This record gives sequence, structure tokens and C-alpha cells, in this order.
Amino acid sequence: AQSVTQPDIHITVSEGASLELRCNYSYGATPYLFWYVQSPGQGLQLLLKYFSGDTLVQGIKGFEAEFKRSQSSFNLRKPSVHWSDAAEYFCAVGADAGKSTFGDGTTLTVKP
Amino acid sequence: DAGVIQSPRHEVTEMGQEVTLRCKPISGHDYLFWYRQTMMRGLELLIYFNNNVPIDDSGMPEDRFSAKMPNASFSTLKIQPSEPRDSAVYFCASSGRASYNEQFFGPGTRLTVL
Repeated sequence: AQSVTQPDIHITVSEGASLELRCNYSYGATPYLFWYVQSPGQGLQLLLKYFSGDTLVQGIKGFEAEFKRSQSSFNLRKPSVHWSDAAEYFCAVGADAGKSTFGDGTTLTVKP
Repeated sequence: DAGVIQSPRHEVTEMGQEVTLRCKPISGHDYLFWYRQTMMRGLELLIYFNNNVPIDDSGMPEDRFSAKMPNASFSTLKIQPSEPRDSAVYFCASSGRASYNEQFFGPGTRLTVL
């Protein structure tokens, strides 16, 4: 069975600083990996996804993520955080049966 | 496309009452998922359908919860009778045929059971 671990429950960064959110997964086959963002009062929205090929994936809003098979990781990064990036971020791994397994989420607070 | 549509957006009811949440997935999507989100338990998958057939309902917490998908464009999640611990945000999501297709989430229904 697949699983996802997001080690950081809450992260605070200053506006303009760089960001890295960690995600580790466990899955027996080639993983399909996703990052979603949830703003307050909203549903989850896809930031980016990895299926195969280039291990560095670009997403919306200036986010990127790097797939590292040897470390079973899919960390999300952004070089310069904006106040509007404050939200909850979910990492997910897709399974053959169509469903995805989501991590517990990381809440990002942005200091002015 | 209007995206995944959920109704109502907010529901306040009293303990013991029946609650029905509704979802219209994105046209052409084969999978439909129902999630529940709370502060204590995070995001939980309750049940999901493939081509209108329930595939996995192991996340449904009790027999008080039931879900149906009578056709490709409509699904309901029913709680009968409702209890205060059912208070949560319920999300519906849909995705395309391949398992690697991302899920598109609706805006959610915030349920409060008094």
C-alpha cells in the first residue's frame, strides 16, 4: 500500500525568502506524484504533477518540485515566497486503482 | 467547464436530521471521490466511484453514511441520522480515466450538526 509523509506540520517563512516543503512517499511501483494547494475556505488545487521523464517539474504560481527516487522524496520549492502563498499544501501519490493517497498537509505562514 | 459543483455550500442542521450533500463532477471524468476534512483527522477519503460503480467504501465511517452515483453527472452523500461529530467540510473530487490524472476538487460543503 502506498503512503505519504509530510514531516512538517507548520512552516513559517518571511516574504521573499525561499521555501522548501518536504514529502516522502512509499509505493511499490513507479509513483505518480502530486502537490496540491488549499487556500482557506477553498478546495484543493493542483500545483504540479510528476509521471515520468524529467525529475524537475514546473508548476503554477512559480512552484517546482524535484523527484528523487533514491530518497523517495518529492519536495516542493519556490525561490521567493509571496504573502498570497500562505495556504495548506498537500503531497499525494497516485495508485493504479485511480485513487490518490494524500499526506497530512503542511500549513505555510508567510511573515511580512 | 464549470468545474466540480457541490451543493449546498453550507449546511446547518440538528442532531438526528438527515443530510444530503450533492456533487456534479466534471463532464467526461470517470472517477468520483468523496472526502471529509476536519482539523483533528485531516483529509479522509470516504468512498470513490469508477464509472458510477462504488469501488472502495472502506473509509465510510458508519452505516449512517451512504453514497450513490445514479449517473455519470451526479452523486450524493447522505448522513442519516446526523451527529455533531459529523461536522466537517465534505469535498467531492473527480478525475479522468488514467490513475495518474489529477483530481479536481469542488469547493466543499461545510456541515455543522448542532
